[in-house]
This record gives sequence, structure tokens and C-alpha cells, in this order.
Amino acid sequence: DQQVKQNSPSLSVQEGRISILNCDYTNSMFDYFLWYKKYPAEGPTFLISISSIKDKNEDGRFTVFLNKSAKHLSLHIVPSQPGDSAVYFCAATPFTGTASKLTFGTGTRLQVTL
Amino acid sequence: EAGVAQSPRYKIIEKRQSVAFWCNPISGHATLYWYQQILGQGPKLLIQFQNNGVVDDSQLPKDRFSAERLKGVDSTLKIQPAKLEDSAVYLCASSLDSTGTYEQYFGPGTRLTVT
Repeated sequence: DQQVKQNSPSLSVQEGRISILNCDYTNSMFDYFLWYKKYPAEGPTFLISISSIKDKNEDGRFTVFLNKSAKHLSLHIVPSQPGDSAVYFCAATPFTGTASKLTFGTGTRLQVTL
Repeated sequence: EAGVAQSPRYKIIEKRQSVAFWCNPISGHATLYWYQQILGQGPKLLIQFQNNGVVDDSQLPKDRFSAERLKGVDSTLKIQPAKLEDSAVYLCASSLDSTGTYEQYFGPGTRLTVT
């Protein structure tokens, strides 16, 4: 039972253009969502997050949008840069008070071309 | 601030052998997690510790996997005996547990190959 789904295994975008990575979830108990970026031979690195009480969170070139009624979130990267080439994981957790219980998607490999 | 440390980075063993992985979390982080990431999949939680107590080990195959976190700091994850399907990257993560923050910080992982 895949509770967090990233249906696009890969995405190729030209440098300077917008990258849009999508994520869907099925568990209505999820209240907090995170995006992680992973380079080869490294652990995932936290990128940006959003709480279910918001519909948008922005941090520099990265913006995450949440549509709670559709159980859908997306990560926008503008403008895309070659260094953004990595695997991006969407993760979700219910509000637990303190420590999170993350459920991850299967990842989307982003390639930013020159 | 030093990140999460893991060792070894790579390990190759034969099936039915045993193996152990070590993790040192970020200083001050109360919660420590072990994940298994199989190629092409996202990380899957195996076990979660808060200080030196187990919070969740529901997805840990307890017939072959064991983990401990002595003194609430370092942790070891052991597999005995290993199976072919245990080939994966084993990731350790830690978190600060401040209210309203849910970020986990990951180490570089240990890539295990079982032949």
C-alpha cells in the first residue's frame, strides 16, 4: 500500500526553465509534508516543507504547493540549475507533537540540461 | 555542526553471514531512525528510537534484524543471518524534536550487497 506516490520516475528540464515535481498521498492523517533531495552516494538532504494549514511555502528558488482536498503537492524549482540534478523524494507525516514518522514516495529523478 | 555519521560506507557479505552498521547522530538529537532503501524505492523506516527507548519497530524483521541505542547516543543495526533481499542502502537519521519541526537529518548511508 503506497501511501505517498510520485508517479513520474524521471523528469528532464532545460536550465533556466521551471521544474515541477508532483506527489500524491492517500492517508488523510498526513499533516506535514517534506521534500528531500538526494545526490548519488549521499543521504537525502532536507529541502523544504509545508504544513497542512498552509497551501504554499517558498524558499528562494523552491516553492511547495499543497492542495489538501486533492491530496496533492508539488515542488516548483525556478529557475532550474544543473546543480539541481538529483533524485527528489516527497515525504509525509501526521502531526505527532514532536518526532515525525515519515513515509516516503519512490522519488523522481530530475535532470537539468544545459 | 557535524552531521550524522555512519560506518562502514560499503559492505559486501555472503548470504547467511552477519553484518553490523554504526550510526552517530547529530549532537543533541533525541530521536534516531534506521531506514532501508532498496534500489528504485524510497526509504522505509525500520526502527525509531527516542533517547534509548524504542518508539516504533513495527517494520523491523525481528527474526534477523536487531538494533540498539546505548546511552541514548550512538546506535548499531545488525542483520543475522543476511538474505539476498537485504541488499540495500541502510540510512540513519536523527531529529531534534522541537514542536512544529519535523525535519530528519540523514547520514550518507551504508550500501550493503549480499551475494
